[in-house]
Parts: sequence; C-alpha cells; structure tokens
Amino acid sequence: DAGITQSPRHKVTETGTPVTLRCHQTENHRYMYWYRQDPGHGLRLIHYSYGVKDTDKGEVSDGYSVSRSKTEDFLLTLESATSSQTSVYFCAISESIQTNYGYTFGSGTRLTVV
Amino acid sequence: KQEVTQIPAALSVPEGENLVLNCSFTDSAIYNLQWFRQDPGKGLTSLLLIQSSQREQTSGRLNASLDKSSGRSTLYIAASQPGDSATYLCAVKEDSDKFYFGSGTKLNVKP
Repeated sequence: DAGITQSPRHKVTETGTPVTLRCHQTENHRYMYWYRQDPGHGLRLIHYSYGVKDTDKGEVSDGYSVSRSKTEDFLLTLESATSSQTSVYFCAISESIQTNYGYTFGSGTRLTVV
Repeated sequence: KQEVTQIPAALSVPEGENLVLNCSFTDSAIYNLQWFRQDPGKGLTSLLLIQSSQREQTSGRLNASLDKSSGRSTLYIAASQPGDSATYLCAVKEDSDKFYFGSGTKLNVKP
C-alpha cells in the first residue's frame, strides 16, 4: 500500500522469544495504529500513537509494547512471544482525528509463534 | 462498548447481480463509517467513507448509505463482477481516535 511499509512480511518465531514488528510511513501522518486480525474476532486494536513518544493502549494490549521515536516509524514489540499471539498484524495511519479522515492500512505481517 | 455486526458472513452470487451488504452498530454516536475491501493475504483497501452528517457516498459501481439513528449502513454493489470477490469490512469511528470493525462479509461472484 502506498506510503506504508510493514516489515517483516512473514515471521516464524519460538515461544518466549522477543519479536519486533516495524511500520514505516512516508505520509507524515500524525496517527498510527497496530491491529491484529484473527478468524472470528475481526480486527482488534492493540496500541496506537497520536504523535512522537505519545502512545496509548487499545483493547488487546496485554503482552505488547510500542514505541514511536520518529513520526515515520511505529514499532510493535512482543516481549515474550506466546502461541496466542500467532496472528496477522496490520499497521494503519490516519492524517487527522477530524471526522473526514479515515484509515490507510499496510499489507500486514503474518506472525507464527511455535 | 461499540459492537459492529456484518450480515451475511458469506455471500455467493452470479456475475451481473446487484447486491447489498449490511453493517449494523450498537452506539449511534459515531463520527464516520468506512467500508473496506480485503483480498486474501492482503491489507485493507478503503472503498468509501461516510461522515456522520452524510446519508450516502458513491464511487463507481459502489454506493454506501448510512442511517445513524437506526445504527445501520449498507454497501450496494451494482452489476457485480468476479473481480469484486473479496471480504468487505465496515468500521465505525466512535470517539476521536479509534475505529471498531465488523468481522466482514466474504463475497464470491461466480462467472
């Protein structure tokens, strides 16, 4: 998707290891979000950021941390990966919280914890 | 907590048919509603965004309507094509910085 890059695209990791996913944007949007998508649960918000060093929790934040040291990068870290964190992770950006702006999504990272 | 429901979960239609996808939400105090398309193994592509003050939005063969008071939105697809096969998701923006998603409708358009 134009302006958003997620890396890696696929990753297999072992239970108990730390994992960091990266979201990079070239749109200079203020707001960035991390979602996970699971069958039967749809898309659920993990964490989001409303500016450099400004982050907040979503509905499924346990076991995850985030950091945003630059406008263009939003990192999602699984401190100690568990099998329940096997999922597809999507990053999204939004220019403004005003009503006429929606989301733009990245292509996703498929994470498997074995 | 806002609950977003999409019915049906899956739909199979012959090519050329007009069809309607439904999205309902429990809290009518929304800022906007957005329809997305997701192809298998891909991200979400925005189709239409309707402001809370609007009743509908159109883009090509797609028309989305919004009835805030009843907590409903519909996505109308005219003259469906096999290339329209995908999962369609709706999302409502409830407060200033979060969206809530439905689980999607998986559409299959048969040639």
